[in-house]
Amino acid sequence: EPEVTQTPSHQVTQMGQEVILRCVPISNHLYFYWYRQILGQKVEFLVSFYNNEISEKSEIFDDQFSVERPDGSNFTLKIRSTKLEDSAMYFCASQGAGTNTGELFFGEGSRLTVL
Amino acid sequence: RKEVEQDPGPFNVPEGATVAFNCTYSNSASQSFFWYRQDCRKEPKLLMSVYSSGNEDGRFTAQLNRASQYISLLIRDSKLSDSATYLCTSSNTGKLIFGQGTTLQVKP
Repeated sequence: EPEVTQTPSHQVTQMGQEVILRCVPISNHLYFYWYRQILGQKVEFLVSFYNNEISEKSEIFDDQFSVERPDGSNFTLKIRSTKLEDSAMYFCASQGAGTNTGELFFGEGSRLTVL
Repeated sequence: RKEVEQDPGPFNVPEGATVAFNCTYSNSASQSFFWYRQDCRKEPKLLMSVYSSGNEDGRFTAQLNRASQYISLLIRDSKLSDSATYLCTSSNTGKLIFGQGTTLQVKP
């Protein structure tokens, strides 16, 4: 069964460092998303990406965040200068070809710990 | 007002019990609705879609009431393996908006 894969599974970084989280969405999917979940809190939308550009972003997704699809397969989330409050699980998701009303398929997540 | 609201629980029920979760959403433009299941420290996984006509998948029944902006999930004959957090979600522009989740603990 096709799946969304994410790397790394866990990253520990110092405050102020740059972090790149990587995702490989399901191959024929066209819509891509990043979500985050702070421990004990709800899953929060960060950004959606379609046709090589951001289609929507939340208030959380400020100038410290960026997304890119550099090579047609990887979908990355970059945090330029990490803060303590960026510590969370980051989930990548992709959505089926031809529709943005269907199921989102999530990767297993990348746990980010900022010290 | 939160866009999707759920009672966080926890719901502690014995095996074999029937349990119902409710959820309300505030955006009347929402088009699609889903229940996801999330196990501890894992990714959300789709449990079922929710339709106005109601839909059933084995022991699980989901219902949508658009007039009341209300979504429900009924689990019959609870199993130990049903223990998880159940996430109510709505979708308008493709992205999912999650509720905070309702935690279910099924005990032997």
